[in-house]
Amino acid sequence: QLVLTQSPSASASLGASVKLTCTLSSGHSRYAIAWHQQQPEKGPRYLMKLNSDGTQSRGDGIPDRFSGSSSGAERYLTISSLQSEDEADYYCQTWGTGIWVFGGGTKLTVL
Amino acid sequence: EVQLLESGGDLVQPGGSLRLSCAASGFTFSSFAMSWVRQAPGKGLEWVSTVSGGGSGSYYADSVKGRFTISRDNSKNTLFLQMNSLRAEDAAVFYCAKTQTTGTTLGAFHIWGQGTMVTVSS
Repeated sequence: QLVLTQSPSASASLGASVKLTCTLSSGHSRYAIAWHQQQPEKGPRYLMKLNSDGTQSRGDGIPDRFSGSSSGAERYLTISSLQSEDEADYYCQTWGTGIWVFGGGTKLTVL
Repeated sequence: EVQLLESGGDLVQPGGSLRLSCAASGFTFSSFAMSWVRQAPGKGLEWVSTVSGGGSGSYYADSVKGRFTISRDNSKNTLFLQMNSLRAEDAAVFYCAKTQTTGTTLGAFHIWGQGTMVTVSS
């Protein structure tokens, strides 16, 4: 069963970096994912697609402060030089034949 | 500019029906699979349904299978979601989303609408 697991919450200080994790279920370690950001009271926004080899493609207008990386079944989103507007929920998403899956989301607090 | 604009959300009684629409602009609508994703109050994102660019292939989450029907009118660049037998647990903001890659249903949802709210209550 295709499942994505995310930690419910994370926090980091203004100007610092934070690394969020999304874990693919067993047997699905080669799947690509996408990262989405949802600021409070807003709709989701696509950040990037992240492949199993670590290659990534950011969405239009997404600053390079947002970067992705991969290791085995883990997919990471690193946000550097944290800004107040980065405080948001972050979701990973993946897909297979006939199924699309979201992780439970990580709520990022910028201290 | 690529845009998706949902409409049709409303208050409906349990057991009732509702039809959502999503008007697309700024891209060749028929070339891309489209999807509906919902978010219940205070909860995360849940994939609901996806339809292929030509409309011949459709997929549903188990939670809505047999009750919801996705369709599209490529001549009007519009995506639809017909929702029947609505339950309290269907209450959510519904977003439409465009798949990133042309010619396939597989891929990231890389353009999102602003959402339309569905309330199910008596």
